[in-house]
Amino acid sequence: QQQVKQSPQSLIVQKGGISIINCAYENTAFDYFPWYQQFPGKGPALLIAIRPDVSEKKEGRFTISFNKSAKQFSLHIMDSQPGDSATYFCAASMGPNTGNQFYFGTGTSLTVIP
Amino acid sequence: DAGITQSPRHKVTETGTPVTLRCHQTENHRYMYWYRQDPGHGLRLIHYSYGVKDTDKGEVSDGYSVSRSKTEDFLLTLESATSSQTSVYFCAIEVNDRGPSGANVLTFGAGSRLTVL
Repeated sequence: QQQVKQSPQSLIVQKGGISIINCAYENTAFDYFPWYQQFPGKGPALLIAIRPDVSEKKEGRFTISFNKSAKQFSLHIMDSQPGDSATYFCAASMGPNTGNQFYFGTGTSLTVIP
Repeated sequence: DAGITQSPRHKVTETGTPVTLRCHQTENHRYMYWYRQDPGHGLRLIHYSYGVKDTDKGEVSDGYSVSRSKTEDFLLTLESATSSQTSVYFCAIEVNDRGPSGANVLTFGAGSRLTVL
């Protein structure tokens, strides 16, 4: 059973537009929600993350919006650039020493058209 | 990639042959992981280790074994490779993000692309 559900599977956005990727979870024990960015031929890299006690976190053009009651969170990329073209994974984890308690969404392939 | 080296980066092998992928870290982290990445499935956990000689299964462990004889090395072995094991394999270490959240996150290696013919 997929612990974290991610949509859409792929996304095409014009340069300068807003890219939005959505994720949903069921387990209320999750207490950390990171997003990873992966370029072709590379491993995923941590992009931005949020705790459930915060409704929004912004780092540059990247913003996570978090809705605890709906158990949903999303990544917004403002002023999308061709260099943002990558695969994005949402994830959820629990506890300070998480061991194997990391769960990933299935990924969104983002293409930003110049 | 944050002190993680995976080898080989690319390998083509034939069905039925054994394959070992190596993950080496330079930072003495306790937890290490092996994931496979496939289109439509995202990242799926194969095995993980929580110390030397301490390992456990993930959600897709069938057909794979692991060993960790030293803190810095985590090996993934396919005893008899099958075409369904054609994938990109990622090793990861668990690190503290050192930010105000105090949370642990995963840092990934560059991946090993395995093709089983």
